Amino acid sequence: EIVLTQSPATLSLSPGERATLSCRASQSVSRFLAWYQQKPGQAPRLLIYDASNRATGIPARFSGSGSGTDFTLTISSLEPEDSAVYYCQQRSNWRTFGQGTKVEIK
Amino acid sequence: QVQLVESGGGLVRPGRSLRLSCAASGFTFSDHYMSWIRQAPGKGLEWVSCISGRTSKIYYAESVKGRFTISRDNAKNSLFLEMNSLRAEDTAMYYCVREYDAGTVDYWGQGTLVTVSS
Repeated sequence: EIVLTQSPATLSLSPGERATLSCRASQSVSRFLAWYQQKPGQAPRLLIYDASNRATGIPARFSGSGSGTDFTLTISSLEPEDSAVYYCQQRSNWRTFGQGTKVEIK
Repeated sequence: QVQLVESGGGLVRPGRSLRLSCAASGFTFSDHYMSWIRQAPGKGLEWVSCISGRTSKIYYAESVKGRFTISRDNAKNSLFLEMNSLRAEDTAMYYCVREYDAGTVDYWGQGTLVTVSS
């Protein structure tokens, strides 16, 4: 099973700051990696698929990069509504999620 | 618009069974892989099982293999999860999801809560 390790566990930043979230795979997943956002009490929402493609309706401040084993989700300028847990997920071999990064807005 | 509505969750005793259903609408159901993903209270996401659109290729997480059975009825736009020999660690919100491209989830239901407790 491919293990995805996300870091940091928690990120606390102010509105307008840049957030950089990391996801590392235990073996190459090529570019078959997605990012999801989950707010309390809600189902997750797809943000990025295949490493760098924004899903429909996702603001341009969200971007993804990487390939192989190292991936990054960047939120260029944090908004208060970006407070959430962010999960990465691979589909190269079965499907697995990372453990999540919680983004807190100060 | 795409809608996924789960039902069948509830409180069940360890060792018993439960059947979850998901009614899909707003898209061509048979064109898509469908999956069940669960989330234990306060925890992360775990992919439970998936089933392909027409060929019915099926996959299970190791944690449920041999106990859970996924199935679908394309004529009725419905997805099912038969859960047997339930354990306390199966307690979770169970989401029915549509896969946009095998393995990428683009739509989620609101979930149905399964609680396994004596």
